[in-house]
Amino acid sequence: EIVLTQSPGTLSLSPGERATLSCRASQSVSSSYLAWYQQKPGQAPRLLIYGASSRATGIPDRFSGSGSGTDFTLTISRLEPEDFAVYYCQQYGSSPPETFGQGTKVEIK
Amino acid sequence: QVQLQESGPGLVKPSQTLSLTCTVSGGSISSGGYYWSWIRQHPGKGLEWIGYIYYSGSTYYNPSLKSRVTISVDTSKNQFSLKLSSVTAADTAVYYCARGTHILTGYYPFDYWGQGTLVTVSS
Repeated sequence: EIVLTQSPGTLSLSPGERATLSCRASQSVSSSYLAWYQQKPGQAPRLLIYGASSRATGIPDRFSGSGSGTDFTLTISRLEPEDFAVYYCQQYGSSPPETFGQGTKVEIK
Repeated sequence: QVQLQESGPGLVKPSQTLSLTCTVSGGSISSGGYYWSWIRQHPGKGLEWIGYIYYSGSTYYNPSLKSRVTISVDTSKNQFSLKLSSVTAADTAVYYCARGTHILTGYYPFDYWGQGTLVTVSS
């Protein structure tokens, strides 16, 4: 089972700032099957990024993903008020069980 | 527009079986290329993948839950279901259903989710 470790646990930033979230895998993620989700209180997660770097439909271009192998990053170039939420990485696809990271909370400073 | 909707009891007694159904609308569950999943989230915690099923009936379960989980599909009703046996308070969580994609070009993660349903295990 691939264990995903996200850091930091909490990121305190102001609107307009850049957010950099990390996701490290315990072993190489096959074919870069790494996704990022955003979750707001009381809502289901929303897919942001798949394949490590491809934006899902309707996702603004201030969200970008990068990385391969065991190290992945989600970057939010300029935080908008609606971006304050919890973010999860997930490895999926050909190597079940699918696993999620423990989450990074992006909060308003 | 594909929509998923979970349904089932919100309260289950310890040692009993939790049963949930996910109804898919806006698309056929029999369409090839998709896998239908259950994910749960303990109160205030992160996401835990439970398992998934292809329309063909092939299943994959989280090893930590495998002995207690059954996921099935009913193509005539465009639904898939979760059964989790011998529940304890540790199974109290919001349960989500979601759709993933597996096609010739590869796998794609959960793009459609239900809104989630809270299941509490308590006597």
